[in-house]
Amino acid sequence: QKEVEQNSGPLSVPEGAIASLNCTYSDRVSQSFFWYRQYSGKSPELIMSIYSNGDKEDGRFTAQLNKASQYVSLLIRDSQPSDSATYLCAAEYGNNRLAFGKGNQVVVIP
Amino acid sequence: DAGVIQSPRHEVTEMGQEVTLRCKPISGHDYLFWYRQTMMRGLELLIYFNNNVPIDDSGMPEDRFSAKMPNASFSTLKIQPSEPRDSAVYFCASSADVLVGIYNEQFFGPGTRLTVL
Repeated sequence: QKEVEQNSGPLSVPEGAIASLNCTYSDRVSQSFFWYRQYSGKSPELIMSIYSNGDKEDGRFTAQLNKASQYVSLLIRDSQPSDSATYLCAAEYGNNRLAFGKGNQVVVIP
Repeated sequence: DAGVIQSPRHEVTEMGQEVTLRCKPISGHDYLFWYRQTMMRGLELLIYFNNNVPIDDSGMPEDRFSAKMPNASFSTLKIQPSEPRDSAVYFCASSADVLVGIYNEQFFGPGTRLTVL
């Protein structure tokens, strides 16, 4: 059983718009959640982490966590062409182990 | 700091051959992780080490896969014999020791793109 689900297909947004990504997780995973960005042909890099319910903002990025609904989201405000990448949702489930979703591709159109 | 180093960056081999992937973690990091990434299955954890000791290898797909960490600065992932379905990008990642209740970021290497013909 997959522990982290990202079901949305590729997302195309015009430059300057808000990109919204969603992720759900199963009961087995822990309460620490992360968003990684992966450019084509590159390795994942951590962009946001969130541990408690509510919103966490870092520059143009906002992560949202709702533990009751088992739901994590990422908002990218004022989207830039450099934000075009695949975004991976991940949950930690003990001893630094991570379960990843399959990712959502974001394409920012100039 | 050079970051996590992996070699080779690309490997093309024929079915049945032995493949060895190498990883040098960031100096001082106590955890080392091997992942495999494919379009179908996404990014999967294969095995991880803590202080050079394998802790969880439940993600290793078959006995054809093995991993070692002979010292704190080197790890290998070996596939013998290789099969076409092993074609994927293999990432190594490392992180510092876990503090209670605090997650330590995993830093990923550039990956090895493996193609088995």
